[in-house]
Amino acid sequence: DGGITQSPKYLFRKEGQNVTLSCEQNLNHDAMYWYRQDPGQGLRLIYYSQIVNDFQKGDIAEGYSVSREKKESFPLTVTSAQKNPTAFYLCASAQGVGSPLHFGNGTRLTVT
Amino acid sequence: DAKTTQPNSMESNEEEPVHLPCNHSTISGTDYIHWYRQLPSQGPEYVIHGLTSNVNNRMASLAIAEDRKSSTLILHRATLRDAAVYYCILTTISNYGGATNKLIFGTGTLLAVQP
Repeated sequence: DGGITQSPKYLFRKEGQNVTLSCEQNLNHDAMYWYRQDPGQGLRLIYYSQIVNDFQKGDIAEGYSVSREKKESFPLTVTSAQKNPTAFYLCASAQGVGSPLHFGNGTRLTVT
Repeated sequence: DAKTTQPNSMESNEEEPVHLPCNHSTISGTDYIHWYRQLPSQGPEYVIHGLTSNVNNRMASLAIAEDRKSSTLILHRATLRDAAVYYCILTTISNYGGATNKLIFGTGTLLAVQP
């Protein structure tokens, strides 16, 4: 079955450590996205990528970094510079403009 | 970026129709209207989308106002499994490299379905 896989489902880290969240898709979609969701709030866009080897900052990119070396993979690194990293992180992909987004089931990151 | 406005919450009874409204008065001519829903601790699920004409699929119907400044998601017979947060969002054209799917999510409408 085609879809988006995020791993791990839960992740715990100590403050000051970088952590990388995995996102893989086998839908052959060109565009991929990372969103962050805090309790009781909507999704906020961190980074997005329209094609391999290219990506753009979203609304809250500070403290995060991404890479897009392969079409099917779009990992997100939460760096120690991110002031409030504890959140629910969602990855999505889409075929093109106006096309629906397909979301993974998220990674819940807790930093203490 | 074009924004949407939705009620914070709505209630419905099981097996009755539900009409979820969304206002998007600053929509531009090329913006698509998308609806997603999200269950707790899961990723959002695509429901339906449209540009100008009303749309129907197996999950729901989307009614778009003639001036496109508002839309309504219609669930024809609500079930308990339809209880979720419903997001109405618009695509936003990026300044980089032409159009893209930079979807801006608000806080959505929490739909409660009573048995």
